[in-house]
Amino acid sequence: QQQVKQSPQSLIVQKGGISIINCAYENTAFDYFPWYQQFPGKGPALLIAIRPDVSEKKEGRFTISFNKSAKQFSLHIMDSQPGDSATYFCAALWGNLIFGKGTKLSVKP
Amino acid sequence: EAGVTQFPSHSVIEKGQTVTLRCDPISGHDNLYWYRRVMGKEIKFLLHFVKESKQDESGMPNNRFLAERTGGTYSTLKVQPAELEDSGVYFCASSQQLSYEQYFGPGTRLTVT
Repeated sequence: QQQVKQSPQSLIVQKGGISIINCAYENTAFDYFPWYQQFPGKGPALLIAIRPDVSEKKEGRFTISFNKSAKQFSLHIMDSQPGDSATYFCAALWGNLIFGKGTKLSVKP
Repeated sequence: EAGVTQFPSHSVIEKGQTVTLRCDPISGHDNLYWYRRVMGKEIKFLLHFVKESKQDESGMPNNRFLAERTGGTYSTLKVQPAELEDSGVYFCASSQQLSYEQYFGPGTRLTVT
């Protein structure tokens, strides 16, 4: 199965809160899991990525949690800010990137 | 360092016409990818160049789409003749040799009327 399932489709969080976006996959051959952030009118920008041999990766306020046995991974945005309002895509790589459908995040001031 | 650039940013054409999209990857990036996002759907892979060679074109929808990368620098994606279902945003991405990190351009929004 070459799908990556992403949820929720949209998310509203108060400033200072934690945003959590989840993704699930089936193909155990995937070996790289990036998250992309996209602002309106711009292309997706690589935010953070993880390999399957690591359970967690943190960069500033952004953390990826990876559960290999459950074939799930998630993005956590700590202390969410209005500037984080964007569409977030998870993806998985096996030759080429397979994307989730995206999550539109709105952070309310 | 300049990022991936794409031209045009928007294109509106009529069904049956031809459109050519251009992508300039980051200098020195051997890998060049084309993706497409149709309204409301996920971003989908179209094809992958390594230098001037097509490494994988399994995502190309049909033979109305032709991609080239002469000289291993910029790439063009031609749609001929365009159909209504070709409307969407076409993204180009590039990466260094042996790197997983793909950097995306701003996309070309194609509208076929």
